[in-house]
Amino acid sequence: QKEVEQDPGPLSVPEGAIVSLNCTYSNSAFQYFMWYRQYSRKGPELLMYTYSSGNKEDGRFTAQVDKSSKYISLFIRDSQPSDSATYLCAMASSGGSYIPTFGRGTSLIVHP
Amino acid sequence: DAMVIQNPRYQVTQFGKPVTLSCSQTLNHNVMYWYQQKSSQAPKLLFHYYDKDFNNEADTPDNFQSRRPNTSFCFLDIRSPGLGDAAMYLCATSVDSSYEQYFGPGTRLTVT
Repeated sequence: QKEVEQDPGPLSVPEGAIVSLNCTYSNSAFQYFMWYRQYSRKGPELLMYTYSSGNKEDGRFTAQVDKSSKYISLFIRDSQPSDSATYLCAMASSGGSYIPTFGRGTSLIVHP
Repeated sequence: DAMVIQNPRYQVTQFGKPVTLSCSQTLNHNVMYWYQQKSSQAPKLLFHYYDKDFNNEADTPDNFQSRRPNTSFCFLDIRSPGLGDAAMYLCATSVDSSYEQYFGPGTRLTVT
């Protein structure tokens, strides 16, 4: 079992839809949870991060962490064609290695 | 703008012919990373420098080497590329043990 599992998709939605992207993990030591967005032929860029459990909102994006279920989500409201990209989750533990463990990414396509 | 720059963006090399990829950064971050990312897979950490200290991942093939002549530059050398080394190579930076990484645009390597 991989430490971080993420469905590669593709996930295709119409413009304006609410998108839910998810990751599960097995390492209970993970405390930092990140979402990166990667456009085609570009490097990943940090989109959002949360520490421990709870929700964090930034504009149309909401990151949610459920440590009891070892499950994290990224919600995108009012999705736009410009949101079409691959979304990678990443996780890191505190007090140990600071290097994150990445998921394989979910490809999102928002069509007009 | 402060950034991570990778050159070249696309590199074609022949089987067995040494190749060098370069990364430079204007962020003045002390940690630099090299990742290998294949299609629809998670970025795989090859090695990283914490200041001048070199850290090699246990499963990084001996065929891969790295140099960091100064804070701003880092090089990835592939001594004898095989077909299986065709991938996107990503350079990233961070400050100390921060989990937040800043990625360059990547170099796509093709091996013929």
